[in-house]
Amino acid sequence: TQLLEQSPQFLSIQEGKNLTVYCNSSSVFSSLQWYRQEPGEGPVLLVTVVTGGEVKKLKRLTFQFGDARKDSSLHITAAQPGDTGLYLCAGASGTSYDKVIFGPGTSLSVIP
Amino acid sequence: EAGVAQSPRYKIIEKRQSVAFWCNPISGHATLYWYQQILGQGPKLLIQFQNNGVVDDSQLPKDRFSAERLKGVDSTLKIQPAKLEDSAVYLCASSLPLGVAKNIQYFGAGTRLSVL
Repeated sequence: TQLLEQSPQFLSIQEGKNLTVYCNSSSVFSSLQWYRQEPGEGPVLLVTVVTGGEVKKLKRLTFQFGDARKDSSLHITAAQPGDTGLYLCAGASGTSYDKVIFGPGTSLSVIP
Repeated sequence: EAGVAQSPRYKIIEKRQSVAFWCNPISGHATLYWYQQILGQGPKLLIQFQNNGVVDDSQLPKDRFSAERLKGVDSTLKIQPAKLEDSAVYLCASSLPLGVAKNIQYFGAGTRLSVL
C-alpha cells in the first residue's frame, strides 16, 4: 500500500520567516503534485514535478522532487499571511489510470 | 472557464438518514473523482470514474455508499444510511486524461456533511 507522510503536521511562523515542509514515501511516484487548501475550499494545484531531482520555483515557493522520486520538499521564502493554509502533496502511481494518493497535509499559519 | 460545481455546500442529517451530493465537472474532463476529507486529514479517494465507467472504487464502503455518472458528465454520490463517522467534507474533482495533465485535478469547494 502506497502511503505519503508529511511533516511537520502543524507549523506556525512569523511573517517574513522562511520554512520548509516535507513529503515522504517508501514508494516511487511517476509524478508528484503540491496543492494548497484554504478553509471551506477545495485544494488548488501549485505545481507538478515529474523528473527525479527536479526543482521548480513559483515566486517565493521552491519545490524539489527527490532523485529517487520518493520524496519532495516545499520551501517558502519570506512567508506572508496569504500563505496560510493546508499544504497537501499528492503522488501519482503511474498505473494505467494514474492512481493518486494524498498525504495528510501540513497546516501552515503565518502570523502578521 | 467554469470550475467544478458541487451542491449542496452544507448538509446536516441525523444518523441512519440518506443524503446525496451532486457534482458537475469542468467541461471536457473525462475523469471524475469523489474524495472524503475528514477534519485534519488529506483527501481519501472514494471512487474514480473515466467517462461513465468506474476505474477505482476500492475504498468506497459499498454497503452504504454508491455513486453514478450515467452520461459521463455530472455525478451523484449517495450515502444510505449515514453513520456518525461519515461526517466530513466530500470533494469532487475532475481532470483531463491526457499525458501528465491527467494527474492535475481541479477541485470543487466541497460539501460539508454533519451527521448528528
